[in-house]
This record gives sequence, C-alpha cells and structure tokens, in this order.
Amino acid sequence: DAGVTQSPTHLIKTRGQQVTLRCSPKSGHDTVSWYQQALGQGPQFIFQYYEEEERQRGNFPDRFSGHQFPNYSSELNVNALLLGDSALYLCASTEFPGGAEDTQYFGPGTRLTVL
Amino acid sequence: DAKTTQPTSMDCAEGRAANLPCNHSTISGNEYVYWYRQIHSQGPQYIIHGLKNNETNEMASLIITEDRKSSTLILPHATLRDTAVYYCIVRVSYNTDKLIFGTGTRLQVFP
Repeated sequence: DAGVTQSPTHLIKTRGQQVTLRCSPKSGHDTVSWYQQALGQGPQFIFQYYEEEERQRGNFPDRFSGHQFPNYSSELNVNALLLGDSALYLCASTEFPGGAEDTQYFGPGTRLTVL
Repeated sequence: DAKTTQPTSMDCAEGRAANLPCNHSTISGNEYVYWYRQIHSQGPQYIIHGLKNNETNEMASLIITEDRKSSTLILPHATLRDTAVYYCIVRVSYNTDKLIFGTGTRLQVFP
C-alpha cells in the first residue's frame, strides 16, 4: 500500500515564474492538505481540499492556489514566485472527517528553490 | 500561532530514555495532544496522541498531567535513528483539522 507520494522531489525556479507541485494521497484517503516549511521552521498550513473544494485556508496570499481531482490527487500552484517561497512543500492526506484515532499522513515533500 | 511550548533542543545517550516535555496551558477540553517527529528533510511522522489518560504504543509513551496543561513524550530506549525534530500539537478531535506546528524540539541521540 503506497503512502503519500509527491512529485517532483526537487525543483529550481527563478523569481516571477510559476510552479506546480503534485500529490497523491494514501490509498483510501480523500482529503489533502498542503504545508510550507521554511528552513528551521515548523510546517505552516496552506490549505486543504476535500471533494474537489478548498475547505480550509491558512494565511497565504492568492498566489497560492490548488486543485483536487476526482481521484483525490491534488496540485499546488504558486504564481509569481518570490525568493521567500523557497521551502519544503509537504502534502498530507487523511479521510474526512475521521476521528481522533485517525491521523494525517505526510509525504516526503518537494524542495523548491527560487533563485 | 502554536498553542504549545517546547525546549529548542535536547540530547540523549543511546539506550537511555528520552523525555521530551511540552507545555500547553491553554488547551481546551475537546483538544487532544498529538506528537509528530520529522527526521531530516522527510515529512513529519505521527507518533502518538492522547486526551487525558496516559497512552503507550510501539513507538513511545505519552504522559499527560492531570490538569492537562503539560505532557511528556517518552522514548524508552532511544536509538540513533530517533534523532529528529519532535513536534507537540494540540488540536480538536476530528482528524481533518489543520495541524499548527511550532518550532519543535531537536533531539540529538549520541552514541
């Protein structure tokens, strides 16, 4: 049973470009969350998708957008990249709504470097 | 902002118990305490969670004080592979609620 997978592993972009990151949730999971982790910091919640709709959003600008597909996989898009967008981007999946005994599973992340 | 406070770093000798403290003085009655860890450049990994009773699984034990304002994660026999950043998180009971991470405790296990 595959866990959460993310692609690509690493990515280098220049300022002003756009990037798309991809996530496939763990089998049986229907909810995907995205987190940004800057160097030396804990992960920060970006947004969460369920039933192809954004259901929660953290304090991130509109340059960050997402999408969820019918097979529950998800994409994170970032437009007009800034140097400060350099970070590890993590995807987590779970089953909605679940309970306290369920947990969120994280993928290995995509390391984005903006030059 | 994170609702927990943890020491920035700790050291532990291999084979000894690692005791990682966490303060969560503003925890609400319906909030659980969760622990995750993150080994260098990997995604966070769930360890354990609890509401008010002590919990134990194959990875660790969780001790929550009676007033629920603090807790301790115990790794009974730390190994070098336990070197990681450990995050203590409080959240409501439904698992789709977002996780609010602090900066965690960097545990270094040495030979």
